[in-house]
Amino acid sequence: GAVVSQHPSRVICKSGTSVKIECRSLDFQATTMFWYRQFPKQSLMLMATSNEGSKATYEQGVEKDKFLINHASLTLSTLTVTSAHPEDSSFYICSASTLPGVQNEQFFGPGTRLTVL
Amino acid sequence: GQNIDQPTEMTATEGAIVQINCTYQTSGFNGLFWYQQHAGEAPTFLSYNVLDGLEEKGRFSSFLSRSKGYSYLLLKELQMKDSASYLCAVLDSNYQLIWGAGTKLIIKP
Repeated sequence: GAVVSQHPSRVICKSGTSVKIECRSLDFQATTMFWYRQFPKQSLMLMATSNEGSKATYEQGVEKDKFLINHASLTLSTLTVTSAHPEDSSFYICSASTLPGVQNEQFFGPGTRLTVL
Repeated sequence: GQNIDQPTEMTATEGAIVQINCTYQTSGFNGLFWYQQHAGEAPTFLSYNVLDGLEEKGRFSSFLSRSKGYSYLLLKELQMKDSASYLCAVLDSNYQLIWGAGTKLIIKP
């Protein structure tokens, strides 16, 4: 149990386009979902926390207008990278928790590799 | 500020034992996690320590000393598939995870 999926696993896009990444909890209801970004050889960096039905909470330095997060249901959260640029190329990982806003029990998705040309 | 320190890279031999250390300075403490992350993949949970002492789980063990702000992950009978990055993460007083940069473990035959 506790499986989280992400789609797509890899995406290559042109600079200026928008990319949507989906995160789904397959066999449980995720009260909270977290979005991370990881650059090569660096640690995970939390971008935002989203609770179902409410606005996401963004970490300092993360542009909320550029990284749009929608948590429409207890099993689906989406991250849209708007007007993507090469510096947005990264590994994006979502995780899901059954406890509201708490990170002590989270299940990770397989990640999405974004390459912006 | 909050800080997690762990070695950048370690090398060990197949069949041997390796200990990966993690020291932390955080605002409060509600537990320490170890995750394994293979290249290009998401992290997978290994262990969670909230009380002092050693927790053993098969070939992997995790130790915590809260007074010293210190933890280690012990891997025994190393296998080639253990080559990965090992991430230490601490849950602070606000129940937010503070991540270390990870230790890349290279296993040689």
